[in-house]
Amino acid sequence: RKEVEQDPGPFNVPEGATVAFNCTYSNSASQSFFWYRQDCRKEPKLLMSVYSSGNEDGRFTAQLNRASQYISLLIRDSKLSDSATYLCVVNRVPRNTGKLIFGQGTTLQVKP
Amino acid sequence: DAGVIQSPRHEVTEMGQEVTLRCKPISGHDYLFWYRQTMMRGLELLIYFNNNVPIDDSGMPEDRFSAKMPNASFSTLKIQPSEPRDSAVYFCASSSTLYSYYEQYFGPGTRLTVT
Repeated sequence: RKEVEQDPGPFNVPEGATVAFNCTYSNSASQSFFWYRQDCRKEPKLLMSVYSSGNEDGRFTAQLNRASQYISLLIRDSKLSDSATYLCVVNRVPRNTGKLIFGQGTTLQVKP
Repeated sequence: DAGVIQSPRHEVTEMGQEVTLRCKPISGHDYLFWYRQTMMRGLELLIYFNNNVPIDDSGMPEDRFSAKMPNASFSTLKIQPSEPRDSAVYFCASSSTLYSYYEQYFGPGTRLTVT
């Protein structure tokens, strides 16, 4: 079983739609969670951290469910510019280091 | 501020040749990571350094791969000899324990093609 699993998609949605991605992780001791965004032929960039209480940044909302070991990302009012691959990222345990485990990514295509 | 700098951006080489990829992390960052990305395997961590010391190289695929960090502002990843299956995008990333050492800043990557 992969440490971090995501549905690769692609998710094809019209502009203005709401879309949600889920991600599951295997190690219940993981403590830090993130969503990174990667545009085609570019480097990954941090989109947002995921906090236990959930957090929102504009049109983006991240949620963490520790009991079920999954993380979600909700994008409201999607824009053409949201088209990208979204990477679910979890810290490596048991040692608390800067090491991250990246999921394979979920591809989003927003259509006019 | 300058971000993570990688060179070259593209490298095309023949099988059996030595390839050296270079990275300059963000000034003041004490962690440096080397990743490889392919369609099949996604983003894989190869090796990472903390304060110039290699901490975990368990992701290095085989002895043909080696990495060094002689000082805080420079690292290299070397493949010798290169093989077609090494074709991938190689990213360098850095982070800082002073802020959030999980927030990694990636360089633009080196696209390697081995023919």
